[in-house]
Amino acid sequence: DAKTTQPPSMDCAEGRAANLPCNHSTISGNEYVYWYRQIHSQGPQYIIHGLKNNETNEMASLIITEDRKSSTLILPHATLRDTAVYYCIVRVAQGGSEKLVFGKGTKLTVNP
Amino acid sequence: NAGVMQNPRHLVRRRGQEARLRCSPMKGHSHVYWYRQLPEEGLKFMVYLQKENIIDESGMPKERFSAEFPKEGPSILRIQQVVRGDSAAYFCASSPQGSYEQYFGPGTRLTVT
Repeated sequence: DAKTTQPPSMDCAEGRAANLPCNHSTISGNEYVYWYRQIHSQGPQYIIHGLKNNETNEMASLIITEDRKSSTLILPHATLRDTAVYYCIVRVAQGGSEKLVFGKGTKLTVNP
Repeated sequence: NAGVMQNPRHLVRRRGQEARLRCSPMKGHSHVYWYRQLPEEGLKFMVYLQKENIIDESGMPKERFSAEFPKEGPSILRIQQVVRGDSAAYFCASSPQGSYEQYFGPGTRLTVT
């Protein structure tokens, strides 16, 4: 079973920041937080991952709370093409199973 | 650098036939993963392979399903005697040695009539 909890759906206005929360209260010390998204039944796309520090790349920012029990994915300027299902996944850094365990994710709808 | 390739993109089979799904990983990637997505559901892990080895098949149904990743050529997911419940999108992902990022292909949509 997935170790994360996400809201089933969210809406965001185009051009505004989209903040997608994720709870992972049982996360272990050696587990990373990964984010993927799936646009309209395409293959999932990697977005970002982090351990405990905040991370930023060209797609998004990841904010992880100090106790690591929750995190937020931030799309700073959402566009219509960001409409997708966003999956938050926790997995071990090394030595564990390689598989990704997907939950139900958050369906983000970006409105014009 | 071409991404993960899957073919066919769409496959229609009658009940009882065999389905063969192919996955060519990204160049230089030696790890392949197969996931299944039933309609309106999230992806479910099926199997993880390295060249000529099955590493984790904990998500594979016990019967009718098999997977291989030969030394040469694509990875194959094989479903024998398909049933309507096998209708789903099957996604393949690959990753290079030592990396935990998985890159997904566009999927094969299997329809069993």
